[in-house]
Amino acid sequence: EDQVTQSPEALRLQEGESSSLNCSYTVSGLRGLFWYRQDPGKGPEFLFTLYSAGEEKEKERLKATLTKKESFLHITAPKPEDSATYLCAVFIRGGSEKLVFGKGTKLTVNP
Amino acid sequence: NAGVTQTPKFRVLKTGQSMTLLCAQDMNHEYMYWYRQDPGMGLRLIHYSVGEGTTAKGEVPDGYNVSRLKKQNFLLGLESAAPSQTSVYFCASIRTWGETQYFGPGTRLLVL
Repeated sequence: EDQVTQSPEALRLQEGESSSLNCSYTVSGLRGLFWYRQDPGKGPEFLFTLYSAGEEKEKERLKATLTKKESFLHITAPKPEDSATYLCAVFIRGGSEKLVFGKGTKLTVNP
Repeated sequence: NAGVTQTPKFRVLKTGQSMTLLCAQDMNHEYMYWYRQDPGMGLRLIHYSVGEGTTAKGEVPDGYNVSRLKKQNFLLGLESAAPSQTSVYFCASIRTWGETQYFGPGTRLLVL
């Protein structure tokens, strides 16, 4: 069964304290992986798409990387406004036309 | 360009009542999806559509029906609401398979 697991479930950081969120997957054939940010009471907001192992993408303080088994979302010198739940989702080669989502990591950045 | 919009934003139902949630997108996207999000469960796919006039079941379809009569609209119906359907419902769309999925702002539903 295709599965996506995110860790940790929750992460508390001090402002400026860099860290990484993990998204590991066991799927039959990865075509790509998405990262989303979700603020309370809002819909997920797209951050990155990664298609192949070794690929990296950056946006402000965020950097997403992909290996054959997992993806990392690195957060450098986070600010309180980076507090949100971060979701990853995979879409699968030859599978049906739907994404498999992880349950998310809730990030809190304290000032 | 409004993107993906959802109506209503919030609704309270009594057990057994019916209602329809509307999702509309103005991006000419082919694929549309309905998810529910519950604490600790993540996003779970209810139904989806790969084009006008098509629908397919997702992970948790029981108790819901959908219709895609027009390309820009995807309706989610609850025929007889149950307390277990209390949730936040998100609609999403993509232009074609493999591209970025854009989400609506959500509908919060409380079934008493």
